[in-house]
Amino acid sequence: AQTVTQSQPEMSVQEAETVTLSCTYDTSESDYYLFWYKQPPSRQMILVIRQEAYKQQNATENRFSVNFQKAAKSFSLKISDSQLGDAAMYFCAYRSRENYGGATNKLIFGTGTLLAVQP
Amino acid sequence: DGGITQSPKYLFRKEGQNVTLSCEQNLNHDAMYWYRQDPGQGLRLIYYSQIVNDFQKGDIAEGYSVSREKKESFPLTVTSAQKNPTAFYLCASSRAGVHYGYTFGSGTRLTVV
Repeated sequence: AQTVTQSQPEMSVQEAETVTLSCTYDTSESDYYLFWYKQPPSRQMILVIRQEAYKQQNATENRFSVNFQKAAKSFSLKISDSQLGDAAMYFCAYRSRENYGGATNKLIFGTGTLLAVQP
Repeated sequence: DGGITQSPKYLFRKEGQNVTLSCEQNLNHDAMYWYRQDPGQGLRLIYYSQIVNDFQKGDIAEGYSVSREKKESFPLTVTSAQKNPTAFYLCASSRAGVHYGYTFGSGTRLTVV
């Protein structure tokens, strides 16, 4: 079974600085998707960024980028120019591509990293 | 606008009562999911449904039940058999195809009183 590990329960960053959140996963599969979700105090889950395992190029969405190391099974999230609105819980998630459209296509989440942004 | 609506936002349950959490989506998504969120444990899958009239147990299904009579609706019942129901419950949906992430509802906070 696949697992997702976020080893940093809490992180803190100064406004305008850069922070990196870590995520590792365990799988025997070669084709899958990885996601980062943000959960602000409102508790609404928001998709931040997505990475396809068969693409070597790291995904980027404005100030958010990932460092995807497939061999190391690592998927870190970098937030540049941190803003107060970035303060939230961040979840890393894995989704298998095996059995396309079948019952295995559920998201598996890590335990989250709570990011505080200091003014 | 399309989205997922969960209701109520806050729910209080007495010991021994069954309660039902509502989840409705107008995104025309095939798959729907229920997650439970507890501090320090992330999101744990309770039940999921890929198509109407079919659903599968997730990792922590004991004490819960679901139905999927319509594509748009996936209600979750927390039964009296669930010993620790106090938690935050999130409903999600997704299109067929693994490259899509989930769209989440805004959640229901259930408290046993």
